Amino acid sequence: KAGVTQTPRYLIKTRGQQVTLSCSPISGHRSVSWYQQTPGQGLQFLFEYFSETQRNKGNFPGRFSGRQFSNSRSEMNVSTLELGDSALYLCASKGNHLSYEQYFGPGTRLTVT
Amino acid sequence: GIQVEQSPPDLILQEGANSTLRCNFSDSVNNLQWFHQNPWGQLINLFYIPSGTKQNGRLSATTVATERYSLLYISSSQTTDSGVYFCAVERGTGNQFYFGTGTSLTVIP
Repeated sequence: KAGVTQTPRYLIKTRGQQVTLSCSPISGHRSVSWYQQTPGQGLQFLFEYFSETQRNKGNFPGRFSGRQFSNSRSEMNVSTLELGDSALYLCASKGNHLSYEQYFGPGTRLTVT
Repeated sequence: GIQVEQSPPDLILQEGANSTLRCNFSDSVNNLQWFHQNPWGQLINLFYIPSGTKQNGRLSATTVATERYSLLYISSSQTTDSGVYFCAVERGTGNQFYFGTGTSLTVIP
């Protein structure tokens, strides 16, 4: 069974631009969560989606948004990029909203210049 | 939120040595996982262990939920064990994972 996939793996953007990251969960998994990892703040929760609905959201500004499609694939969008948005963005999937064990993708490394 | 503390923050071992990593958490949890972050950033699942003891080869883990801590044991360490080890906990379902700050392990030949 294929693991969680994320595209693109690396991205360089300029301040003020927007970016969209994509995550495809493990086949059959319906819950997708997003995390941001930075050297200063560590790993922080962004949001979780299940059945195309956002079920939980972390403490990030409204510039960070996401969505989930009917095939469980998820995208996250960051608008008006700031230098501080440079980070590794990780996506995790689990079977459903009652499952516990999460599986992470390889991440997208975003650099904002 | 839940506070998760990992110790030690850094660990340097000679190949073949054993080590114990600790994770303390501040509230009752339904989910606790240990991960190894590889040099490319991916979090590799080691254990799903909200309570009890599990073993997988040279690695084992124990969680004492009533005392709110978990231990990860690495025996006969190898250079490929190097990397950052994270403990993450979750309360309920559909809630966020709270990560510790990690233990950076370096195994030298």
